[in-house]
Amino acid sequence: AQSVTQLGSHVSVSEGALVLLRCNYSSSVPPYLFWYVQYPNQGLQLLLKYTTGATLVKGINGFEAEFKKSETSFHLTKPSAHMSDAAEYFCAVTGGNGNQFYFGTGTSLTVIP
Amino acid sequence: NAGVTQTPKFRILKIGQSMTLQCTQDMNHNYMYWYRQDPGMGLKLIYYSVGAGITDKGEVPNGYNVSRSTTEDFPLRLELAAPSQTSVYFCAPSGYEQFFGPGTRLTVL
Repeated sequence: AQSVTQLGSHVSVSEGALVLLRCNYSSSVPPYLFWYVQYPNQGLQLLLKYTTGATLVKGINGFEAEFKKSETSFHLTKPSAHMSDAAEYFCAVTGGNGNQFYFGTGTSLTVIP
Repeated sequence: NAGVTQTPKFRILKIGQSMTLQCTQDMNHNYMYWYRQDPGMGLKLIYYSVGAGITDKGEVPNGYNVSRSTTEDFPLRLELAAPSQTSVYFCAPSGYEQFFGPGTRLTVL
């Protein structure tokens, strides 16, 4: 069985501050992990993914995430928040190609000027 | 959202009416998924398909039906619309990652 927990449904940061969005997962198989972003009135867009290999993965818009197997975590970070980062962020896990995806309940990021 | 088309973008239905939400992909993925997203909530899986002719229920299938006659198309059918089906519906073809369509915003009054 697989599941995802996103800690904090709402996160506020000041412009220029560090962004940290937390994601913990459970998986009975080696996980593939994803972060998606959703801007208002749009679909979900892939930010980054971990499948195999390097545990620190870089995505679009300056975001990165680190897969920590021992902590079953895949937290999303960005060194300096920009106003345009305000959106809903979803963490997801799957067991591999075509397998069902399990999504967290999302974290709404607000960036304060 | 490249490669995934959803129609219509918006629709208002009266209680008891029926409609089909269309989803077409040109990415040749065998796996396709339908989700609904209620305001301020995450995604809930309605139905999914692992290939043409094969479909299966997800977490919230009641009130919906699907078919998959081709790899490209995966329509979602609402037979007797209810206010509880007011939501945004996303289609997502899937390989190693899921590709989301732009969504259909449905209101049932």
